[in-house]
Amino acid sequence: EDQVTQSPEALRLQEGESSSLNCSYTVSGLRGLFWYRQDPGKGPEFLFTLYSAGEEKEKERLKATLTKKESFLHITAPKPEDSATYLCAVQAMIKAAGNKLTFGGGTRVLVKP
Amino acid sequence: AAGVIQSPRHLIKEKRETATLKCYPIPRHDTVYWYQQGPGQDPQFLISFYEKMQSDKGSIPDRFSAQQFSDYHSELNMSSLELGDSALYFCASSPIGRKGTDTQYFGPGTRLTVL
Repeated sequence: EDQVTQSPEALRLQEGESSSLNCSYTVSGLRGLFWYRQDPGKGPEFLFTLYSAGEEKEKERLKATLTKKESFLHITAPKPEDSATYLCAVQAMIKAAGNKLTFGGGTRVLVKP
Repeated sequence: AAGVIQSPRHLIKEKRETATLKCYPIPRHDTVYWYQQGPGQDPQFLISFYEKMQSDKGSIPDRFSAQQFSDYHSELNMSSLELGDSALYFCASSPIGRKGTDTQYFGPGTRLTVL
């Protein structure tokens, strides 16, 4: 069964203090690894898809990387508006379409001014 | 850009009642997914549809059923509601993308409260 573990569970940062979030996974044939941002009471907002080890994606202050066992989400010089829960999810190669996402527990990030 | 639309946004029901949640995918998306998210938990997959056929099934109770219609919108029907069904219900949609990976875009959710 696919498993995703995120660490730390919570992270408190000062504005401008860079840090990294970890996502460890086991999956029977990785189709894609996804990062989402979720604000309280709202739907997950898509950030990145990573397909294979060595791949990197960047968007503003966020950078996601992928190895065969884990992914990192690096937050560079965060701002208070980066405060959110960051979710990691994996999708296995099972069917042509409609494959589920298996999520980790998320990392709650709080950036203080 | 158009996003996934869910209705209603909030729903309050009594135990043993029935609820219907609706999802309208992003235009030209042919795959729809349903997830349940309890308080403080991550989203749990319920069921998905591709081209109006059930594609994958997760931990969806037998009291729940869903379908995708010819216009690709989907409905989640929940019967004999229990207190434990209170949660946020998200719909997501995806096109078939590069390498067949289904990047899923989530709607704003329906908050269901069962009293």
